[in-house]
Amino acid sequence: DGGITQSPKYLFRKEGQNVTLSCEQNLNHDAMYWYRQDPGQGLRLIYYSQIVNDFQKGDIAEGYSVSREKKESFPLTVTSAQKNPTAFYLCASRSTSPPYNEQFFGPGTRLTVL
Amino acid sequence: LAKTTQPISMDSYEGQEVNITCSHNNIATNDYITWYQQFPSQGPRFIIQGYKTKVTNEVASLFIPADRKSSTLSLPRVSLSDTAVYYCLVGDGGSQGNLIFGKGTKLSVKP
Repeated sequence: DGGITQSPKYLFRKEGQNVTLSCEQNLNHDAMYWYRQDPGQGLRLIYYSQIVNDFQKGDIAEGYSVSREKKESFPLTVTSAQKNPTAFYLCASRSTSPPYNEQFFGPGTRLTVL
Repeated sequence: LAKTTQPISMDSYEGQEVNITCSHNNIATNDYITWYQQFPSQGPRFIIQGYKTKVTNEVASLFIPADRKSSTLSLPRVSLSDTAVYYCLVGDGGSQGNLIFGKGTKLSVKP
């Protein structure tokens, strides 16, 4: 089955710790995205990558970092600099073929800071 | 990127047709209109996309007037399982592919 996987589904972190969220896709998509969603809110873009070894900041990149060493993988690190990291994190990928705006989302990781 | 405006919530009953309208006054020539559905604690799922006039697939129809400043997602004969948040987005997708997700419309379908 083609798709996007995120792990873990639930993650607990102590304050002051860095944590890395995994995102893998086997859809052969060039573009990948990380979003954050808070309760009752829409999605906000953290980082995105259009191609391997290149990525750009989204609207709320502070306190986060990413890497894109492989086409299939786009891990997100939530650093201790992120002041309010408890949220639902969603990874997505997109083909560069029509329909242009169709992003495929993973199941999400719910991060809770204790 | 064009911003969108849609109702915060809507209520419906099973078997009814539901129409959710989205305003996007600043839509650009190259922008497509896309709708997503999101269930609690899941990632959004693509429903339908269009550029102009009408598009229909197995789950929904999308109506876009000639000026493209608004669009209407039509869900025929909704069921309880259609209770979800529906997002309207516009973007050209061809450049960065960035999509702006607003708060969406929370649709509640009642028996």
